[in-house]
Amino acid sequence: DAGVIQSPRHEVTEMGQEVTLRCKPISGHNSLFWYRQTMMRGLELLIYFNNNVPIDDSGMPEDRFSAKMPNASFSTLKIQPSEPRDSAVYFCASSLKGAGDSPLHFGNGTRLTVT
Amino acid sequence: GQQLNQSPQSMFIQEGEDVSMNCTSSSIFNTWLWYKQDPGEGPVLLIALYKAGELTSNGRLTAQFGITRKDSFLNISASVPSDVGIYFCAGREAAGNKLTFGGGTRVLVKP
Repeated sequence: DAGVIQSPRHEVTEMGQEVTLRCKPISGHNSLFWYRQTMMRGLELLIYFNNNVPIDDSGMPEDRFSAKMPNASFSTLKIQPSEPRDSAVYFCASSLKGAGDSPLHFGNGTRLTVT
Repeated sequence: GQQLNQSPQSMFIQEGEDVSMNCTSSSIFNTWLWYKQDPGEGPVLLIALYKAGELTSNGRLTAQFGITRKDSFLNISASVPSDVGIYFCAGREAAGNKLTFGGGTRVLVKP
């Protein structure tokens, strides 16, 4: 079975440029999460969706970050304009809400470097 | 910020030894999960715990959901080189669908 698929795996960009990260959740899952991982702050939840609707975006750092989920099989996380402090590994995860306490399944992440 | 305190932050272990790590929370959780992350990959679920006092095993791994619902531990028995990695605890409160992660325990195996 295909797991959570993220693209690109690596992204290197210059400060000020727009960055778009992409995620395809596991088919049939109805909850999608975006996490950011850094050495200093560990795994931080940025935003999560239930049935394509954003439920909690309190972890989004600032207005430069935005996330969309236009359908059940695709989500994007956009940073505009990007800054060096945004450098991190960004993970997407999905789960099946309503099926008990369904664990999260993670993608392999996008490593973002902003120079 | 994080609500989970995970310890130890790192450890060196001798092959064959047993390993233990734990997490404590300021909040009551109704789910505890343990994940392992290898370099360049996302965290992978090891064990899920859903009831206070629950003790669950997965091969050489054993985890328990504390009776106060504010703590959990993970044991690895007879460690092998492939146990190297970062182990994360994660908890979910009764309300909502958010998982909060601990800071991780980095496990390194002595050759």
